[in-house]
This record gives sequence, C-alpha cells and structure tokens, in this order.
Amino acid sequence: LAKTTQPISMDSYEGQEVNITCSHNNIATNDYITWYQQFPSQGPRFIIQGYKTKVTNEVASLFIPADRKSSTLSLPRVSLSDTAVYYCLVGDIGNTGKLIFGQGTTLQVKP
Amino acid sequence: DTGVSQDPRHKITKRGQNVTFRCDPISEHNRLYWYRQTLGQGPEFLTYFQNEAQLEKSRLLSDRFSAERPKGSFSTLEIQRTEQGDSAMYLCASSPPGANEKLFFGSGTQLSVL
Repeated sequence: LAKTTQPISMDSYEGQEVNITCSHNNIATNDYITWYQQFPSQGPRFIIQGYKTKVTNEVASLFIPADRKSSTLSLPRVSLSDTAVYYCLVGDIGNTGKLIFGQGTTLQVKP
Repeated sequence: DTGVSQDPRHKITKRGQNVTFRCDPISEHNRLYWYRQTLGQGPEFLTYFQNEAQLEKSRLLSDRFSAERPKGSFSTLEIQRTEQGDSAMYLCASSPPGANEKLFFGSGTQLSVL
C-alpha cells in the first residue's frame, strides 16, 4: 500500500483558503486518493476522493497533478469549525479491503 | 438517523475482564470495518467483513480479539482478558457496494482498561 506524507500541523485564520499537500510517491495505478476529516471524539468523515486532475464538491477541492505523486486538499474560506485532523489516504480498497491512515494534519483555525 | 451506530459509547473495565462492542452499519452497506485509534494517532485497521465473511485481519488483532458479523448485519468485537494497552477508541465503519474507499464511520466506543 502506498505510504503518504503530510504535514503534522497547520495554522490558519478564519476566511483564508487552506491547502494541505500530501505526498504519495509510490501510488499504484489502481489507487484512489481519499481525504477524511476527524473532529475530537468522532469517527473520521469522508471529504473528497479523486483519481486524477481536479475534483470539487460542496466542501473542498482536490488537485492531483499528472504524475499523481502528490495531491492537495483545498478548503476555501475556512471557519473555526474546520479545526480538525485531516487524513490523506491512498489505496485500492477493492483489492485490499482496508484503508491505511497516517497521523494526519491537525489544522487549527484561529479567529 | 441511519448512520453507523456503535454501542456502548464508553466502557470502563478492569484488567483481565472481557468486553464486547457492537456495531450496526448502514443497512444497505455490505462491508464493515473495525479500526482502533489511540490519542494523537490515526485509526489503525483491525479487520473487515464483506457480508458475513471476515476477509482480512490485521496482525494487530491478537488471539484475544475476535470479531463476528452473523448474517451480514451487525457486528461484534470482543476482547478477552483485557490489558491496559487495549485502552483506545474502537471505531466501526461501513461502505456500500461499489464505493469502497468511502467509509462511513460511527462515533466509536472509548475503552478504558484500569
């Protein structure tokens, strides 16, 4: 399974755009890139998923370059409630049956 | 609310006791997963089921741990002879057919072994 590397922590202010980059140099052809968000005392929540180029939903955008060795989660105009841990995962769960979580990026949004 | 439900939310037990947790997945989801999470770490995969079949188990799942999913519906995770190192949040998740990377997690069971 591809290993991911992302910053341990990031700080931002309300109203700013936040970009969290994840490196996954050993990504395989069939692997998807998936991001989850986790608040304290809750289970992770699916945010967005992509395979290549750009994906956008009501919560975030995901940018994936052509070589797919990295990806960037973009959160527009963050608020205090976006303070959470963000996990980048890479895998083909259809084959392996499991997603491997790293330590994630703790995002602290300040007023 | 038809999300993933876990029971109990909190469990305090003494070392050496057995504990059992229950997970009710979203009804049409065929895959069910168990993860364990300790403070400051990401969730660690323990095991998963496709319908009633347990298809993969992590080596983290020692012989004191057993999971079942009778009839492919709810699942139970039992820990026998608990140790202090078992203290963690136990998370259950499910996913629908064809959307395997999109897991829906419950709120977890927080286990404290004294």
